Amino acid sequence: GAVVSQHPSRVICKSGTSVKIECRSLDFQATTMFWYRQFPKQSLMLMATSNEGSKATYEQGVEKDKFLINHASLTLSTLTVTSAHPEDSSFYICSARSPASSYEQYFGPGTRLTVT
Amino acid sequence: GENVEQHPSTLSVQEGDSAVIKCTYSDSASNYFPWYKQELGKRPQLIIDIRSNVGEKKDQRIAVTLNKTAKHFSLHITETQPEDSAVYFCAAINQAGTALIFGKGTTLSVSS
Repeated sequence: GAVVSQHPSRVICKSGTSVKIECRSLDFQATTMFWYRQFPKQSLMLMATSNEGSKATYEQGVEKDKFLINHASLTLSTLTVTSAHPEDSSFYICSARSPASSYEQYFGPGTRLTVT
Repeated sequence: GENVEQHPSTLSVQEGDSAVIKCTYSDSASNYFPWYKQELGKRPQLIIDIRSNVGEKKDQRIAVTLNKTAKHFSLHITETQPEDSAVYFCAAINQAGTALIFGKGTTLSVSS
């Protein structure tokens, strides 16, 4: 089946620094990947849609200059949280659309970001 | 844009009972409705999905029903087991037909 990985699984950084999270499709090519954020005991909130070779599409209220997304290849999308603050602490999960389906998505294991 | 409402937020049942979780969506153009199970600190796992050309789909103890006219869909789990305890999310495809929009989740607790 389609496998999506994320790295790192956990990261702790100091306020004001930047953190990069990688999302990889391991056994398939993904022209579209998605980035979600999940606060404790809450739902997954779509942040942006990442398209290979073009600019990401951000959801309303998500600052594109703060959450930089780069989808440079068909198997890798990265999310960089710039100038992180404690309120950015969250669980960040990526997903990639299945090549066999127009809609089915496979999720990465998530990255727990803690900003101190 | 698409909005998905999910109820109840918490659900407690005895082992062996059935559990039903309901969702409504706003965009009549949505045509794909998956259900995910998420255990604490882990990724969401797809447990069943349904497309708009089907009214019901079943996979062993899990079933999903869809009423397109009323714009709601439901997850039914029969013969619940303690390992069914988790947070369940419904979702619908967004207006652009790309990303999934999630409901707020239902915490299901199955006691033995």
